[in-house]
Amino acid sequence: SQKIEQNSEALNIQEGKTATLTCNYTNYSPAYLQWYRQDPGRGPVFLLLIRENEKEKRKERLKVTFDTTLKQSLFHITASQPADSATYLCALDITLHPYSSASKIIFGSGTRLSIRP
Amino acid sequence: DAGITQSPRHKVTETGTPVTLRCHQTENHRYMYWYRQDPGHGLRLIHYSYGVKDTDKGEVSDGYSVSRSKTEDFLLTLESATSSQTSVYFCAISDRYREGYEQYFGPGTRLTVT
Repeated sequence: SQKIEQNSEALNIQEGKTATLTCNYTNYSPAYLQWYRQDPGRGPVFLLLIRENEKEKRKERLKVTFDTTLKQSLFHITASQPADSATYLCALDITLHPYSSASKIIFGSGTRLSIRP
Repeated sequence: DAGITQSPRHKVTETGTPVTLRCHQTENHRYMYWYRQDPGHGLRLIHYSYGVKDTDKGEVSDGYSVSRSKTEDFLLTLESATSSQTSVYFCAISDRYREGYEQYFGPGTRLTVT
């Protein structure tokens, strides 16, 4: 069956360290992989997207890698801060025909990240 | 929240009653989606729309119907609510022809079926 797994349900790290979150998937061939942040009581907010032909993407303190052979993405937050505490969701875009139908995005269940001062 | 509103934000209803949730956008995006979010399951797609009057089922569509009579509004209806439909419901929009196809989410509706 098709699955997306975010390996840790929760991750606690010290402020200033690098947080690394993992997303693994099986039986998909996604064109894109996305990461979202979700704060309690709010909807997810888009952070980064990486394409299947890209190995790495950066945005400020965020870095995402995408290994289509391993079927894995890593999401890094460097110099982490307490304000980075949130749940982070991995999502796959599994559209096969991008110009003929809506993209279908499948979400992982998320990793709750806590940064302690 | 990228010009997306959901109403109501909270609702408590009894088993067997019909419920309609509304999603309204001011972004003129073509694609709209309804998700439910439950502990341990993450976000699961219920239905989506790729244009006015064009809708399709997602992975958990049983017990739900949708309608989209104009670009800005996407309605989700529970014909006869059950306790298993207690959840937080999120609407999302996307603009396929923009770089990345990311989705923008509304603030959510917390529905409790007693």
